[in-house]
Amino acid sequence: GNSVTQMEGPVTLSEEAFLTINCTYTATGYPSLFWYVQYPGEGLQLLLKATKADDKGSNKGFEATYRKETTSFHLEKGSVQVSDSAVYFCALLMNTGFQKLVFGTGTRLLVSP
Amino acid sequence: DAGITQSPRYKITETGRQVTLMCHQTWSHSYMFWYRQDLGHGLRLIYYSAAADITDKGEVPDGYVVSRSKTENFPLTLESATRSQTSVYFCASRTGQGSTDTQYFGPGTRLTVL
Repeated sequence: GNSVTQMEGPVTLSEEAFLTINCTYTATGYPSLFWYVQYPGEGLQLLLKATKADDKGSNKGFEATYRKETTSFHLEKGSVQVSDSAVYFCALLMNTGFQKLVFGTGTRLLVSP
Repeated sequence: DAGITQSPRYKITETGRQVTLMCHQTWSHSYMFWYRQDLGHGLRLIYYSAAADITDKGEVPDGYVVSRSKTENFPLTLESATRSQTSVYFCASRTGQGSTDTQYFGPGTRLTVL
């Protein structure tokens, strides 16, 4: 079946450090890929997405590139802020049948001043 | 208020009681979803609906019932709550099936079953 694997957290960084959160997927076919972010006490919000191979999604300084050859969609940010502390979820959406998001288990990011 | 809302935000109940979690969206989105979030499992789909009066099971439907008589509402009922249903529940909605359609999430309901 289709699945998403994320690195386990928490990821603990100091402010202005470089961030990478790894995400790999298994899918039969070519899914669309997403990163969602969940701030404390809130629901999930779409952070960025990519719908085909080699696409780069970007938003709020975060980036992720859809790599078909490595089935990956790693999230990166050049300089994190305390306000980036949240849980980040990688997800895929197959483009056939009824389209349901499949989520990874989430990675908690803690950024200290 | 525009958007997607859930009520109650917090609920404590006892084993065996019936509980209904409410979800309301103001966009007239066709698709609605219920997820539960548990540590180590991420989000798991309970039920989804493609339109009013059309619902289907997700990954973990046992012990839950849904209905959708109106497009904007999608209540989730736990018929006889069990401790294993202690979780945070999220409702979501989406315009359509395309990959360009964004899925929006409600703020969640934290349910504790004693």
